[in-house]
Amino acid sequence: DTGVSQNPRHKITKRGQNVTFRCDPISEHNRLYWYRQTLGQGPEFLTYFQNEAQLEKSRLLSDRFSAERPKGSFSTLEIQRTEQGDSAMYLCASSLPTGGKRTGELFFGEGSRLTVL
Amino acid sequence: AQRVTQPEKLLSVFKGAPVELKCNYSYSGSPELFWYVQYSRQRLQLLLRHISRESIKGFTADLNKGETSFHLKKPFAQEEDSAMYYCALTPTGANSKLTFGKGITLSVRP
Repeated sequence: DTGVSQNPRHKITKRGQNVTFRCDPISEHNRLYWYRQTLGQGPEFLTYFQNEAQLEKSRLLSDRFSAERPKGSFSTLEIQRTEQGDSAMYLCASSLPTGGKRTGELFFGEGSRLTVL
Repeated sequence: AQRVTQPEKLLSVFKGAPVELKCNYSYSGSPELFWYVQYSRQRLQLLLRHISRESIKGFTADLNKGETSFHLKKPFAQEEDSAMYYCALTPTGANSKLTFGKGITLSVRP
């Protein structure tokens, strides 16, 4: 499968612990996005990278959240001092450079589900 | 700021019935609109985009700038159309940062 890969698929943690999620995008995609999805809601944008540069962060991304894409390939999303409100599905997506017919075509991973007890 | 509204959470129809999934948006500039679909136990994927003006799996959607709507339609629903559907928007020329609606579950009964 050459699609977007995320791991772990499920993570259960206690409040106050740190968690890290990894995303491996489609290899030729230079853009990588993180979204969060809670029950009954659509995906909400968190942040995105073009190659290794983090170009935009949502106000949803508090200072407990940090994302990196050190070599412009895989990305990690770390949540420090987790809270129960962080429980959600964290989705990663990647895309080719935008423009023309490619605009808006994001390829999503299966997501990493976080449960904070 | 942009906003996407999908006013209904669930639409249940019989096979062969017409389907219309509603989507309204608010954005001051020129947007690009999309429909994404998530079938059971599959990942979220692009269904169609307004700039392509194409029909995918029998679905079409027309951007109505006057009514700020982008409703998804299919004349004859099939059981395999049962899925979660999300309407999404990005500003024209932007970075494909999508704003999604809350989604609607389409259930097609035999």
